[in-house]
Amino acid sequence: AQSVTQLDSQVPVFEEAPVELRCNYSSSVSVYLFWYVQYPNQGLQLLLKYLSGSTLVESINGFEAEFNKSQTSFHLRKPSVHISDTAEYFCAVIIIQGAQKLVFGQGTRLTINP
Amino acid sequence: GAGVSQTPSNKVTEKGKYVELRCDPISGHTALYWYRQSLGQGPEFLIYFQGTGAADDSGLPNDRFFAVRPEGSVSTLKIQRTERGDSAVYLCASSLMIGSEQFFGPGTRLTVL
Repeated sequence: AQSVTQLDSQVPVFEEAPVELRCNYSSSVSVYLFWYVQYPNQGLQLLLKYLSGSTLVESINGFEAEFNKSQTSFHLRKPSVHISDTAEYFCAVIIIQGAQKLVFGQGTRLTINP
Repeated sequence: GAGVSQTPSNKVTEKGKYVELRCDPISGHTALYWYRQSLGQGPEFLIYFQGTGAADDSGLPNDRFFAVRPEGSVSTLKIQRTERGDSAVYLCASSLMIGSEQFFGPGTRLTVL
């Protein structure tokens, strides 16, 4: 079975500071990796994904994540956050071949202070 | 275009009652998924459909939960004899085909008193 661990339930940072949201996964088979974001009172939105190729993937709003197979991690980073980044972030995996269900971590609430 | 929609957005019911939650996927999407998100947790898989058939219902917690998708589009999640532990946000997602990106609806918040 697959599992996803997000090590921090809450991360408070100041505006324009860098941030890293940590994600580790466990799986005996190959997986695809995702970060979803849930803004206040909105549904889940895909932020970025790793399927294959370059291990560093980027989103359109400045976030990036790096797949590290040896450490089974997929940490999310942004060099300078904005108030509008305040949201809950979920890391998720899906098995490449087989069941198509997303397995999510517990979520990390990112709070940006002015 | 229109995204995934779910109705109602909120549902309050009493313990022991029956509820139905509806999901309208994005037009043309063949795969449909149901997840449940309890307070302070990430979403947990319940069931997914490929067309009209349930391809994997391994996440349904017990036989009080049932879901249908009779015409391969709209899906209904049905919960019998609701319990307080069923209180959660129920999320629906759809994808163009199995393996492609899942698009999520806003969810239905179910509260069982």
